[in-house]
Amino acid sequence: DTGVSQDPRHKITKRGQNVTFRCDPISEHNRLYWYRQTLGQGPEFLTYFQNEAQLEKSRLLSDRFSAERPKGSFSTLEIQRTEQGDSAMYLCASSPLQGRNEKLFFGSGTQLSVL
Amino acid sequence: DAKTTQPNSMESNEEEPVHLPCNHSTISGTDYIHWYRQLPSQGPEYVIHGLTSNVNNRMASLAIAEDRKSSTLILHRATLRDAAVYYCILRSNFGNEKLTFGTGTRLTIIP
Repeated sequence: DTGVSQDPRHKITKRGQNVTFRCDPISEHNRLYWYRQTLGQGPEFLTYFQNEAQLEKSRLLSDRFSAERPKGSFSTLEIQRTEQGDSAMYLCASSPLQGRNEKLFFGSGTQLSVL
Repeated sequence: DAKTTQPNSMESNEEEPVHLPCNHSTISGTDYIHWYRQLPSQGPEYVIHGLTSNVNNRMASLAIAEDRKSSTLILHRATLRDAAVYYCILRSNFGNEKLTFGTGTRLTIIP
């Protein structure tokens, strides 16, 4: 069990550029979540997958954001035409499909800075 | 999701017990009480969860009020490693799968 892995750890980009983050969940975890966290705030839910199906998207996830989990394993989160307000820590979490109160395992996040 | 209320910050001396309170007066019968913590520069980490009865694990204890409108996370002997933001979260046993985080309690441990 190597834990949830996120890549890259840090990303600096210029406003208007596209960025893509990757999340590798714990092996055999069916559920995968993306969260965003800004300084001094708790993580905010963005979206959730069960296997390859995207089952819920937050209203925070504007049209510039897209997430995929093509084979039900790793997931990518893409932000198009980045804005300075997108600067945040992007967290990924996974959990097994064994019940509704299984704990979530979080990665260390990708810190995005938009200049 | 029902909301929780936690103090913004708390301090405790090293090697002493810490009691972190959480109010959740609008909790429903199917809501579990979850606690996560977030150490600096890391993602949140599961601590403990419970429904009605008090719970213990290797990290902490969770004391749940009889009316379930409040709960307390107890760290029996705080170490410097316990300095983190602690989040109290209600999660329904039905419906939404996500965890909804508040701003949590920032715990500072004084050496």
